[in-house]
Amino acid sequence: AQSVTQPDIHITVSEGASLELRCNYSYGATPYLFWYVQSPGQGLQLLLKYFSGDTLVQGIKGFEAEFKRSQSSFNLRKPSVHWSDAAEYFCAVGPQGNKLTFGGGTRVLVKP
Amino acid sequence: NAGVTQTPKFQVLKTGQSMTLQCAQDMNHEYMSWYRQDPGMGLRLIHYSVGAGITDQGEVPNGYNVSRSTTEDFPLRLLSAAPSQTSVYFCASSRGQGGNQPQHFGDGTRLSIL
Repeated sequence: AQSVTQPDIHITVSEGASLELRCNYSYGATPYLFWYVQSPGQGLQLLLKYFSGDTLVQGIKGFEAEFKRSQSSFNLRKPSVHWSDAAEYFCAVGPQGNKLTFGGGTRVLVKP
Repeated sequence: NAGVTQTPKFQVLKTGQSMTLQCAQDMNHEYMSWYRQDPGMGLRLIHYSVGAGITDQGEVPNGYNVSRSTTEDFPLRLLSAAPSQTSVYFCASSRGQGGNQPQHFGDGTRLSIL
């Protein structure tokens, strides 16, 4: 069975500092991997996705993620955080784009 | 450009009541899904549909029914609400099943069962 672990429930970061969110997955084959962001009271918005090719993928809003097969990880990064990045972030894995298993989420708080 | 529309946005029910959560999309997407979101558990797939007339169970289907009579609509029915079904429910749609067809999510329905 596939599973996703996001070890950090909450992360607090200062505005302008870098951000890294961890995601570890368990999947039997080459997975489709996704990062979504959820602002309060909103649905989920896709930040980026990976399923083949270059292991460093660029997404929207200045985010990037790196797929490391040997570590079963797909960590999300942003070099300089803006106050508007305060949200909850979800990593997801699946055989296909619409049957996903989500991690528990990481809530990011941004200090001024 | 409406995307995925869910109604209602909020609902309070008593145990044993039934209700239908509505989901409509205007993107002509074949694939639609229902998830529930609970604190610390991310989103879990309840039911999904690969096209009109075709539905299947996800990870947590018990207590929920779905149907897909049209491409646009994918309602979720709670037959006899239980407090354990208190959650935020999200509907999603995608054009295809491949990984290059990401899901588009609605804004959610916040459901409380007393």
